[in-house]
Amino acid sequence: DGGITQSPKYLFRKEGQNVTLSCEQNLNHDAMYWYRQDPGQGLRLIYYSQIVNDFQKGDIAEGYSVSREKKESFPLTVTSAQKNPTAFYLCASSPGISYGYTFGSGTRLTVV
Amino acid sequence: GEDVEQSLFLSVREGDSSVINCTYTDSSSTYLYWYKQEPGAGLQLLTYIFSNMDMKQDQRLTVLLNKKDKHLSLRIADTQTGDSAIYFCAEDSGGGADGLTFGKGTHLIIQP
Repeated sequence: DGGITQSPKYLFRKEGQNVTLSCEQNLNHDAMYWYRQDPGQGLRLIYYSQIVNDFQKGDIAEGYSVSREKKESFPLTVTSAQKNPTAFYLCASSPGISYGYTFGSGTRLTVV
Repeated sequence: GEDVEQSLFLSVREGDSSVINCTYTDSSSTYLYWYKQEPGAGLQLLTYIFSNMDMKQDQRLTVLLNKKDKHLSLRIADTQTGDSAIYFCAEDSGGGADGLTFGKGTHLIIQP
């Protein structure tokens, strides 16, 4: 079955560490997105990519980085520059602009 | 910029109908969406409506769109405990490259 997979489900980070969240899809979707979810704040867009080897900053890109070397993969790195990284991170993909998204099951990142 | 507004909480009795409301600002939206998020999970697409439609029904779900007032609603008939979740309204912002704009979500609480 086609879908979008995020891993790991839970991730713990020490202060000053970089961590990478994985997002893989086998839906042949061109567009992929990363969102951060905090209680009461809904979804905030971190980065998005409409095509391989191209990506754009969203509303809260500071302290994050991404790559899009393959159509299937859109990993998100949370760098030490992100001062408050504890949150639930959601990856999504879509066939293109104006199409609905398919979401992964999320990664909960906690700073320890 | 585009904005999508929802009430944060809605409490209903089991067996009653739930009506979740949403207002949006972008009149160029082509599609409007409703997503459901259960605790600790990603978002699941429930239904969507094309902007030239007034109503769409899908089993227990009814979507009403008032394009003049930019108002969207989701009615869930015979609400069950399994309907307890966060419901997000989203619009496609007229096909902007950064994808869908989401509301902050409405927590649907079911009383026995």
